[in-house]
Amino acid sequence: DGGITQSPKYLFRKEGQNVTLSCEQNLNHDAMYWYRQDPGQGLRLIYYSQIVNDFQKGDIAEGYSVSREKKESFPLTVTSAQKNPTAFYLCASRTGEGPLHFGNGTRLTVT
Amino acid sequence: DAKTTQPNSMESNEEEPVHLPCNHSTISGTDYIHWYRQLPSQGPEYVIHGLTSNVNNRMASLAIAEDRKSSTLILHRATLRDAAVYYCILRAVLNNAGNMLTFGGGTRLMVKP
Repeated sequence: DGGITQSPKYLFRKEGQNVTLSCEQNLNHDAMYWYRQDPGQGLRLIYYSQIVNDFQKGDIAEGYSVSREKKESFPLTVTSAQKNPTAFYLCASRTGEGPLHFGNGTRLTVT
Repeated sequence: DAKTTQPNSMESNEEEPVHLPCNHSTISGTDYIHWYRQLPSQGPEYVIHGLTSNVNNRMASLAIAEDRKSSTLILHRATLRDAAVYYCILRAVLNNAGNMLTFGGGTRLMVKP
């Protein structure tokens, strides 16, 4: 079945460490997105990419970095510069004018 | 960017219809209205979208006001599995902002047996 895979489901890191969250899709979608969700809040856009080797900042890009070297992969790195990295991270993809397809998220805890 | 306003929470009884409102008074003529829902600890899933006319699919109906400044997601018979956070978002078509797809806080729907 086609879909979006985010791994791992839970991730724990010490403060000051960079951490990379994986997002892979086999839907052949051109556009991919990263959102952050805090408890009881909506989703906030971190970065998005419309094609390979291109990406744009969303509303809260500071402290994050991405790459899009392959169509099916859009990893997100949470750097030590991100002041409050503990959150639920969601990856999504879309083709053309179609709806977003989401993964089941990675819950990151930084202590 | 056009924004949406939704109630924080709503309650419904099982087997009854549910009307979830969304205000978008600054909507532009090229903004599509999209609805997604998110079950606990999962990613959101697409529900329905529309531009001007009312829309129906197997999950729900979308009623769009004539002036397009508001819309209503209608679940015809709520089940316990419909308990989720429902997001109403706008998507512009004719410019790069349409790719931003910004979500607000959504409405938490609670369904009572």
